[in-house]
Parts: sequence; C-alpha cells; structure tokens
Amino acid sequence: AQKITQTQPGMFVQEKEAVTLDCTYDTSDQSYGLFWYKQPSSGEMIFLIYQGSYDEQNATEGRYSLNFQKARKSANLVISASQLGDSAMYFCAMQTGANSKLTFGKGITLSVRP
Amino acid sequence: GAGVSQTPSNKVTEKGKYVELRCDPISGHTALYWYRQSLGQGPEFLIYFQGTGAADDSGLPNDRFFAVRPEGSVSTLKIQRTERGDSAVYLCASSFSGGVTDTQYFGPGTRLTVL
Repeated sequence: AQKITQTQPGMFVQEKEAVTLDCTYDTSDQSYGLFWYKQPSSGEMIFLIYQGSYDEQNATEGRYSLNFQKARKSANLVISASQLGDSAMYFCAMQTGANSKLTFGKGITLSVRP
Repeated sequence: GAGVSQTPSNKVTEKGKYVELRCDPISGHTALYWYRQSLGQGPEFLIYFQGTGAADDSGLPNDRFFAVRPEGSVSTLKIQRTERGDSAVYLCASSFSGGVTDTQYFGPGTRLTVL
C-alpha cells in the first residue's frame, strides 16, 4: 500500500521569502512518481511539479523545486520568493507503477504574509 | 487547449435521490479518474478508466456508486439513493495514458450537497 504523510501544521511565510513544505512517502514499488498540487480557496487542483523515482536530478519548475531524498523517502516542495498568490492548500501525491491512482496526503495550508 | 471540465459545478439534492455528475477530459487523454474530497482532506480515489473500461474501481465505497465512459471520452459518475455522507467535492482528472510518469490534470470539481 502507498502512503503520503504531510504533518506540518499551517505554515506562514513572509512575502519574498522561501518556504519548504514537507512530504514523506511509503511504497514498496521501485517505480513511482511524486507530484505536488496547489489548491487555492477556489477549489481547483493545480499541478505544480513532478519527480520520478528514477530521476537523479531534483525537479524544478520556475519558483518551485522539489528536494527529493530517495533514501529518506522524502519529497519536500520548496517555493522561492513567495508571493501573496501562493496562499493555498498544498498536496503531495504519489502514483506507482503497480496502479495508476494518485494517493494524496492530508495537505498543508500555506499563508503568505505581506 | 481546453482543460478538464465538470458539470454541474454545484448540485444540491435530497437524501434518497439519484444524481449524475459529468466529466469531459482533455482531448486525447485515454486515462480518466474520479476522486472524492471531503472538507479539509486530500482527494480519495474512486475509479480509473483506461479508454472505455474501468481498470480499477477499488475506491468506489459501495454499490450505490457507478461510473461509465461509453465512448472513451466523457464520463458520468452516478450515485443512487444518495446519503448525507455522500456530500463532498467530486473531482475528475485525466492523463495522457495512465502511466506512472503521466501528470493527472484536474477539473474544477462538482460540489455535491445531500440534504
């Protein structure tokens, strides 16, 4: 079975600073993908970044980067130069080679202060 | 191109009624997924279609829930004899082929309220 753990309470960050959102995962599959999604108060689920289990480099997408530590089974999201529009719920999710569904964590609420 | 669309955006119904929720995936995506999200929680998987067939329906909570995708494009999630506990946001997602590296893109969801 797959499991995603997001245990941080609500996070606060000052505008223009960087913030790290934690995610640990558990799976016995060797082939898997890790995803981060953003869900603003409007409710839409927006894809941010992807990391494959065989990728040797950490993924980056603009201000988003993923700190992938395979041995520790962690896939933390780093947001640089936070903006007010980054205030939202952030979900870490995993998809494995054994099945195609996404398993989500409980999410982390991020609030960006001006 | 157009993203995933879902209709209706909101649905209010009475306990015991039947509802249908519709999902129109991104054109060319063969994989389609339904998830359910309760307040304050992450989405939970319901069912996965590859083409016209349900490849994995292990997340459907009981036999009141059923989904179809007859032509391999639009999908309909059907809930019979609705209960108050069915109230949630129902999210649909699609991906190119359902592979482990494929990103799932989500629709805006249907908020179902059962009174």
